[in-house]
Amino acid sequence: DTEVTQTPKHLVMGMTNKKSLKCEQHMGHRAMYWYKQKAKKPPELMFVYSYEKLSINESVPSRFSPECPNSSLLNLHLHALQPEDSALYLCASSQDQGNNSPLHFGNGTRLTVT
Amino acid sequence: RKEVEQDPGPFNVPEGATVAFNCTYSNSASQSFFWYRQDCRKEPKLLMSVYSSGNEDGRFTAQLNRASQYISLLIRDSKLSDSATYLCVGGAYNAGNMLTFGGGTRLMVKP
Repeated sequence: DTEVTQTPKHLVMGMTNKKSLKCEQHMGHRAMYWYKQKAKKPPELMFVYSYEKLSINESVPSRFSPECPNSSLLNLHLHALQPEDSALYLCASSQDQGNNSPLHFGNGTRLTVT
Repeated sequence: RKEVEQDPGPFNVPEGATVAFNCTYSNSASQSFFWYRQDCRKEPKLLMSVYSSGNEDGRFTAQLNRASQYISLLIRDSKLSDSATYLCVGGAYNAGNMLTFGGGTRLMVKP
């Protein structure tokens, strides 16, 4: 069982839709991440929040908008996506942003943009 | 050159075999290393951390060679359930403390 929970598990959306992905962890971790993973590729970092503040944005297009309402929650708001944005979106958390802390991943949201 | 590199495989091995993967890293300041296992269409799961002194957990052994800048994962007595993609992850303080993923090595254990 994963200690990082993501909803929804699957999402199909049109290019004009607005949707949100949600992530929650109750491990007391202070760093939370969004990754995007395409088939047969490793996860690709999108955003990092550390102590509820955005610390890294890997030049992600503005149609992806992260939000960290509190230390346990992380959202990813989606708007006007393109078909090439279809992928597995993974949320992760770690004790802190220091690289001695391993990442704990959620189950992911499989997104299809039509 | 990628910061963390792995042979993508696939490695096809019979049940009961011993198999080893290597992962090379280019940032000599890298401090932390991990192996993750990822099943098809699932999330990566932490398999083990890699310490300077090596790390063993049952059939799995991870080692770090700083001089040659690689880490290894050895799986003994392979099981069918070991079939997965194994991701090597490294992190360095001079890289914004971020962890970098290798491309993954696919293992297929056959009966």
